[in-house]
Amino acid sequence: NFVLTQPHSVSESPGKTVTISCTRSSGNMASSAVQWYQQRPGAVPTNIIYEDKERPSGVPDRFSGSINSSSNSASLTISGLRTEDEGYYFCQSDGSDHPVIFGGGTKLTVL
Amino acid sequence: QVQLVQSGAEVKKPGASVKVSCRASGYSFADYNTHWVRQAPGQGLEWMGMTNPGGDRSTYAGKFQGRVTMTRDTSTATYYMELSYLRSEDTAFYYCARDLTFDPSPILDYWGQGTLVTVSS
Repeated sequence: NFVLTQPHSVSESPGKTVTISCTRSSGNMASSAVQWYQQRPGAVPTNIIYEDKERPSGVPDRFSGSINSSSNSASLTISGLRTEDEGYYFCQSDGSDHPVIFGGGTKLTVL
Repeated sequence: QVQLVQSGAEVKKPGASVKVSCRASGYSFADYNTHWVRQAPGQGLEWMGMTNPGGDRSTYAGKFQGRVTMTRDTSTATYYMELSYLRSEDTAFYYCARDLTFDPSPILDYWGQGTLVTVSS
């Protein structure tokens, strides 16, 4: 199975835009759907992006997802950052042996 | 509304077993895969396995093969995850999660509140 690598942390100011990457170690990122989960401090993970770029109902359009085939990665972009966006973000895809593979998670700080 | 309600926190000694429950409500219990994910304190998410809607087939992560059993009770709409031969590294929050789709790539759209399992002598 492959590994999904995310930056350990990112930080940005309120109102700005931040992008979190998720790079697949082997195989084609575009061959499997990518989901993103947000986990606020002390809370349960929630799905914010599914199938690469789709948003569940209730998730604001400040959150967007994309796939970059040239870098074999997925990206989560959050625009108009708010302090409530602070927390951890995890990407997830599927592998041949494991239906669910998570990235290591990225801590977002909005300072 | 969709809810997954898990059992309460557990403290276990090394070598013991723990069985965590996850009661589903607000949707057709038998129509979705259910996954189990754990998270050690301050760490990332780790997939443990899943059970199909019929409850007759479970798939486990290789790391947990031989130590984990996932079952369900249709009469109470409850899923169970039992982990045996516990060691200190198993101290974590354990989550059940519903899988929205039967596509190859699961979408975990609803999660239980988590059950803290502490393994300590």
